Amino acid sequence: QQQVKQSPQSLIVQKGGISIINCAYENTAFDYFPWYQQFPGKGPALLIAIRPDVSEKKEGRFTISFNKSAKQFSLHIMDSQPGDSATYFCAAGGSNYKLTFGKGTLLTVNP
Amino acid sequence: DTGVSQDPRHKITKRGQNVTFRCDPISEHNRLYWYRQTLGQGPEFLTYFQNEAQLEKSRLLSDRFSAERPKGSFSTLEIQRTEQGDSAMYLCASSNRASGRTDTQYFGPGTRLTVL
Repeated sequence: QQQVKQSPQSLIVQKGGISIINCAYENTAFDYFPWYQQFPGKGPALLIAIRPDVSEKKEGRFTISFNKSAKQFSLHIMDSQPGDSATYFCAAGGSNYKLTFGKGTLLTVNP
Repeated sequence: DTGVSQDPRHKITKRGQNVTFRCDPISEHNRLYWYRQTLGQGPEFLTYFQNEAQLEKSRLLSDRFSAERPKGSFSTLEIQRTEQGDSAMYLCASSNRASGRTDTQYFGPGTRLTVL
């Protein structure tokens, strides 16, 4: 049972455009939703995270939008740059501390 | 570098051999996690420690896998009698929060295992 569903699987945007990646979860016990960025051959690096007491969180060009009733959350990357080209993973965590990850989105930003 | 470190970064072994990986968490982080990531997939939880106690193990962690965290510092993950299906990236993460809520996990660079 896949508890966190992520889409799209891959995404191509032009430099300066907006990248949007969506995730949906099933377990209502989740209370922590981070996004990780991973470059080839590297470990995942935390990008931004949100808890369900807020509907949006912004850090620089990265914004998480959270819809608790729909059990969905999304990552928006504004003014996308070629250096943002990487694989992005959403994840969800609850009181048992472990993270459940989506399958990832390969983002390519063309110059 | 004060981040999570893992050793070795790459390991190639023959089927049936035993391998051991090491993870050094961020200093004073009390929680340490192991995940496995296969190509094209997100990391999957294997096990985690709070200090030296191993508190949860995934069903993915067969009896060929064992993890330890002596003295609550570094951790080792051993795979006995490796199989080709064990080929993956093994990721370690650490975190440090006293509360009962999931907290920020910082990942190491991973150990890439190839079983021939």
